[in-house]
Amino acid sequence: DTGVSQDPRHKITKRGQNVTFRCDPISEHNRLYWYRQTLGQGPEFLTYFQNEAQLEKSRLLSDRFSAERPKGSFSTLEIQRTEQGDSAMYLCASSLGLGGRTYEQYFGPGTRLTVT
Amino acid sequence: QKEVEQNSGPLSVPEGAIASLNCTYSDRGSQSFFWYRQYSGKSPELIMFIYSNGDKEDGRFTAQLNKASQYVSLLIRDSQPSDSATYLCAVPLMNYGGSQGNLIFGKGTKLSVKP
Repeated sequence: DTGVSQDPRHKITKRGQNVTFRCDPISEHNRLYWYRQTLGQGPEFLTYFQNEAQLEKSRLLSDRFSAERPKGSFSTLEIQRTEQGDSAMYLCASSLGLGGRTYEQYFGPGTRLTVT
Repeated sequence: QKEVEQNSGPLSVPEGAIASLNCTYSDRGSQSFFWYRQYSGKSPELIMFIYSNGDKEDGRFTAQLNKASQYVSLLIRDSQPSDSATYLCAVPLMNYGGSQGNLIFGKGTKLSVKP
């Protein structure tokens, strides 16, 4: 257990529905990342936050995806109008952020999304 | 386009042997390198990181970095069946200010350690 938690662990939804995932990072970590992983691939970057500021979004990220980290603690990732191609493992990671050996990212257990 | 390349395997080694996993990366500006282990159906687990040229040892794991060749490797000594997993190499994307951003992952190498 890395100390990063994600909820729910599994989500099955029908195409066209909206889903929201939550991530709670390690408490002293400033940075929070979202990745997506499909079978046989490495994790693919979606977006990341430094405290409450969203610093980067992947150009591959559809407008249907939105993420927030309102108070610089937990984060939510919402997918609107889900498509079957959104089926994947959604991973959250956190790191300390700036300064020194602070770039190691620790992953939560992931949320497995299945769109039927 | 920054890339990280790994041989997808599977790499099969007998129990007790040394497993050697390799990774090349395209960004010459990369400063740090990470190895994650991922068991089937689980999330990636950080097992090694290396920032300087040369070797870094941690228990049965040794990471080797050669920045001139843009090559990083992971050696697992005395391999055990419990080491059977996919090993992911990851390199941070460098931002314009010199800070590190998100990780770019290779596709991973699947290791199988046979008893």
